[in-house]
Amino acid sequence: DAEITQSPRHKITETGRQVTLACHQTWNHNNMFWYRQDLGHGLRLIHYSYGVQDTNKGEVSDGYSVSRSNTEDLPLTLESAASSQTSVYFCASSESSGALYEQYFGPGTRLTVT
Amino acid sequence: AQSVAQPEDQVNVAEGNPLTVKCTYSVSGNPYLFWYVQYPNRGLQFLLKYITGDNLVKGSYGFEAEFNKSQTSFHLKKPSALVSDSALYFCAVRPDTGRRALTFGSGTRLQVQP
Repeated sequence: DAEITQSPRHKITETGRQVTLACHQTWNHNNMFWYRQDLGHGLRLIHYSYGVQDTNKGEVSDGYSVSRSNTEDLPLTLESAASSQTSVYFCASSESSGALYEQYFGPGTRLTVT
Repeated sequence: AQSVAQPEDQVNVAEGNPLTVKCTYSVSGNPYLFWYVQYPNRGLQFLLKYITGDNLVKGSYGFEAEFNKSQTSFHLKKPSALVSDSALYFCAVRPDTGRRALTFGSGTRLQVQP
């Protein structure tokens, strides 16, 4: 069955370190998204991609970067981790066309920055 | 820019009673509307969507939602609540053209008492 996976599921890192969160989907979806979930804020968009070599900033992109070298993967990099980036991170993917549009979410990565 | 409001942080209902979780939205153009559910330590699961057509949309697990364009609302409903429905519910919106990412509400915790 097609799926979307994230790794690691839990990560503890120190302030100032570079961290990369992996996202891999086997749906063959063109659209991929990264969100962070914080209490009281719901999910907020960090970055998104509509296809290979395409990346775009979301509302809370400062301190984060992504790259899209293939259809299946959209890794999220925290350039220099800060305590404000302690959060749960969700990756999602969706179809580009047709009447589907719903996003499929990964299980999440809980990141703690100490 | 689009936005979603979920005015209730928590909704409490007795098992067997009908439930409603409220959502209002703001978007330029025609809205695509979604409801997702999140169980503890899990990713988001798609429940239902409104794209076009019939204003009453039926989804998974007996849930339904009514699109009301004049009130810009998309309330989630279920005729008879189950204890297993207890979870965090998110409403989300995106415009029919332009950016494909979703804008989420802050979430409503549904607690169904036996």
